[in-house]
Amino acid sequence: AQKVTQAQTEISVVEKEDVTLDCVYETRDTTYYLFWYKQPPSGELVFLIRRNSFDEQNEISGRYSWNFQKSTSSFNFTITASQVVDSAVYFCALSSRPILTGGGNKLTFGTGTQLKVEL
Amino acid sequence: ETGVTQSPTHLIKTRGQQVTLRCSSQSGHNTVSWYQQALGQGPQFIFQYYREEENGRGNFPPRFSGLQFPNYSSELNVNALELDDSALYLCASSFDSGYEQYFGPGTRLTVT
Repeated sequence: AQKVTQAQTEISVVEKEDVTLDCVYETRDTTYYLFWYKQPPSGELVFLIRRNSFDEQNEISGRYSWNFQKSTSSFNFTITASQVVDSAVYFCALSSRPILTGGGNKLTFGTGTQLKVEL
Repeated sequence: ETGVTQSPTHLIKTRGQQVTLRCSSQSGHNTVSWYQQALGQGPQFIFQYYREEENGRGNFPPRFSGLQFPNYSSELNVNALELDDSALYLCASSFDSGYEQYFGPGTRLTVT
């Protein structure tokens, strides 16, 4: 069975601080995919990144960066110089390669981390 | 915005009633997945439809059922509503063999 753990329920920072959101996953699959989604108060989940299990290169996109470490089954997300607009719930998710060709696959989500960025 | 739309936005039903939620997938996508998100929790996978066939199901009872239409839009039906069915229902669409699922704004269902 797959499992995603986000131990941080809520994090509060002051604007311009850096913040790291932790994600630890469990899976027996050798090929899998990791995701981060952002959920603002409006409720819509916004896709941020997908990472393949065979690609451990870290990635940076603007103020966002992701650190994937297979050895510790972690996929952490860092926001540099946080802004008030970053306030949201952030979800880490996991999926395996599809059983059937095509159609994508189901996502297993963590319980989310509520990030509050204050002025 | 993702181009995935859901209707209605909000819904209030009474225990025992039936409800139908609708989702229009993003243009070019042939797969729709449904998730239930209870307050303070992460989304839970209900089922997925690929080219009008059910393609995987989560741990939900048979009173949760679905359909996908030739234009790849989808419906989620829930019979015999229970109080615990109160949640945000999210629909996500994806392209054949793609892994990024793009979510709609959700339908907030309240069962009283």
